[in-house]
Amino acid sequence: EVQLLESGGGLVQPGGSLRLSCAASGFTFPAYGMSWVRQAPGKGLEWVSTVSGSGDNTYYTDSVKGRFTISRDNSKNTLYLRMNSLRAEDTAVYYCAKSVASTFDSWGQGTLVTVSS
Amino acid sequence: EIVMTQSPATLSVSPGERATLSCRASQSVSVNLAWYQQKPGQAPRLLIYGASTRATGIPARFSGSGSGTEFTLTISSLQSEDFAVYYCQQYNNWPRALTFGGGTKVEIK
Repeated sequence: EVQLLESGGGLVQPGGSLRLSCAASGFTFPAYGMSWVRQAPGKGLEWVSTVSGSGDNTYYTDSVKGRFTISRDNSKNTLYLRMNSLRAEDTAVYYCAKSVASTFDSWGQGTLVTVSS
Repeated sequence: EIVMTQSPATLSVSPGERATLSCRASQSVSVNLAWYQQKPGQAPRLLIYGASTRATGIPARFSGSGSGTEFTLTISSLQSEDFAVYYCQQYNNWPRALTFGGGTKVEIK
């Protein structure tokens, strides 16, 4: 059974930084791209970033380019999202998702990031 | 960026009835379209990919159709567990942006 467990969310001031982690199990982690998808309170879903299975290729939505960095450690079956220069509009639940052909076939339960002074 | 528009925003349906949800793309996405279900307080779940292929474990009452710019998700006979928000997502222009529709809430009539 695929399990994805996010951690690292919390309250951070505007301009601050945070690192999210996602521990994966139940599948061959290096074989799959992994993504972060976020959902602002009461709003819809927004794709944030994807990393290839090897970690060599990364992709971002325009609004986070230059501020967020996705990475993975295949020896630890863990996905990361480093978030710098955080803004109020980055406030959301961040979901880790296993990617298959650019769809998201398994999701974690999410971790809440709140950017506020 | 490809904009995905879902309609209606809210659909009121009685249990056992049929529900039809629409998703429109601002330009053709071929059949590179997925549907997700999200219940309150839960993560989304993949229902349909390739516009019409059910994901593993998804009941046959869920069906998807369409191509190009117009897509439909049909729930043939609504069960209590189907009341949720449904999102469409295009993945036609990967590795450029993946985009979701704004969602359709299916509520009990």
